[in-house]
Amino acid sequence: AQSVSQHNHHVILSEAASLELGCNYSYGGTVNLFWYVQYPGQHLQLLLKYFSGDPLVKGIKGFEAEFIKSKFSFNLRKPSVQWSDTAEYFCAADDKIIFGKGTRLHILP
Amino acid sequence: DTAVSQTPKYLVTQMGNDKSIKCEQNLGHDTMYWYKQDSKKFLKIMFSYNNKELIINETVPNRFSPKSPDKAHLNLHINSLELGDSAVYFCASSQSHRGQETQYFGPGTRLLVL
Repeated sequence: AQSVSQHNHHVILSEAASLELGCNYSYGGTVNLFWYVQYPGQHLQLLLKYFSGDPLVKGIKGFEAEFIKSKFSFNLRKPSVQWSDTAEYFCAADDKIIFGKGTRLHILP
Repeated sequence: DTAVSQTPKYLVTQMGNDKSIKCEQNLGHDTMYWYKQDSKKFLKIMFSYNNKELIINETVPNRFSPKSPDKAHLNLHINSLELGDSAVYFCASSQSHRGQETQYFGPGTRLLVL
């Protein structure tokens, strides 16, 4: 069965720390991958997506993710986090739009 | 200009009642979805409609019935509400259901069943 797993359920970092959130998927065919973010009290919005081409994808707000096919991974990274990055982050893969369980990121001011 | 809107934003009701949540998108998209986000923030697809036709129906109690009067609307009707139905329900839409499409989410409806 297709699945998406996020290893870190809750991450706490200080401002300016570097961030990497793990995401692995199990899907045999061509896969499209997404990272969504949900800020407190707000709805989900797209951070970045990978369909094909350059495996290093740049998103909004300084986020990037790297698709590593051999590892079935699509980890989200940011070199220096800010307090405003406190949110819930969801990795997702198609088809049937399967989401991971989310990672709650808390940035300490 | 809200792209995907849901009403109501909050819904508090008693067990056993029947309630509906409405969703509308003004993006001209063909595909709409309903997700349930539980207390642990886990997002799970419930239904998907493409041009008013059901294309995804995950394991959801048949007390939940989606209705799509046109491709811009996908309403969720819930009969005989149970405590476990308490969650945030998100509507979303995308241009198509082929998988390479970004989904645009509504603000969510927080349902609390007492």
